[in-house]
Amino acid sequence: DAGVTQSPTHLIKTRGQHVTLRCSPISGHKSVSWYQQVLGQGPQFIFQYYEKEERGRGNFPDRFSARQFPNYSSELNVNALLLGDSALYLCASSLTGELFFGEGSRLTVL
Amino acid sequence: KNQVEQSPQSLIILEGKNCTLQCNYTVSPFSNLRWYKQDTGRGPVSLTIMTFSENTKSNGRYTATLDADTKQSSLHITASQLSDSASYICVVSAWGGATNKLIFGTGTLLAVQP
Repeated sequence: DAGVTQSPTHLIKTRGQHVTLRCSPISGHKSVSWYQQVLGQGPQFIFQYYEKEERGRGNFPDRFSARQFPNYSSELNVNALLLGDSALYLCASSLTGELFFGEGSRLTVL
Repeated sequence: KNQVEQSPQSLIILEGKNCTLQCNYTVSPFSNLRWYKQDTGRGPVSLTIMTFSENTKSNGRYTATLDADTKQSSLHITASQLSDSASYICVVSAWGGATNKLIFGTGTLLAVQP
């Protein structure tokens, strides 16, 4: 069984650009959540989606948005990138509450 | 304010030795506590998950304890191996109605040296 898959694995952007990160949950998992992990810190919660509806939002600006598709995959969008957005972006899926994380997308903003 | 604090921030031990990592939390209402292992640049992998009524849970050489009265948890690693070098993150879940809220600690960075 495939685990949580994220793409791209690495990307470099410049300030002001936007980025779209993608996540495919484990088959059968209907909940997807997104986390930002700055180097040396623990993950910070950004969004949770369940059955295509937003169920939770962390303390992030409106430049961050997300959506979940009918097949339960998800996208995280970040507009007007700032240097401080450089981080590992983790996606996690769950069925019964236990989180299964993907390997993350490493975003570098120059 | 819901918080999870971990100690030590980093730790170096020799291969074969044991170590204990600490997690203190102020999360209410408490739902469960999880320990994750995160290799550098990789996603976290679950080690254990404990609810209010569980005091101890083991996963191979990893043993987690939970004291819900003092709001403390520990992760004990026995006979450490080089592959145990990673960041260990404590995550506490708070009941939040339709969905629980997860509060992450900043992790303990463990380095196992030969």
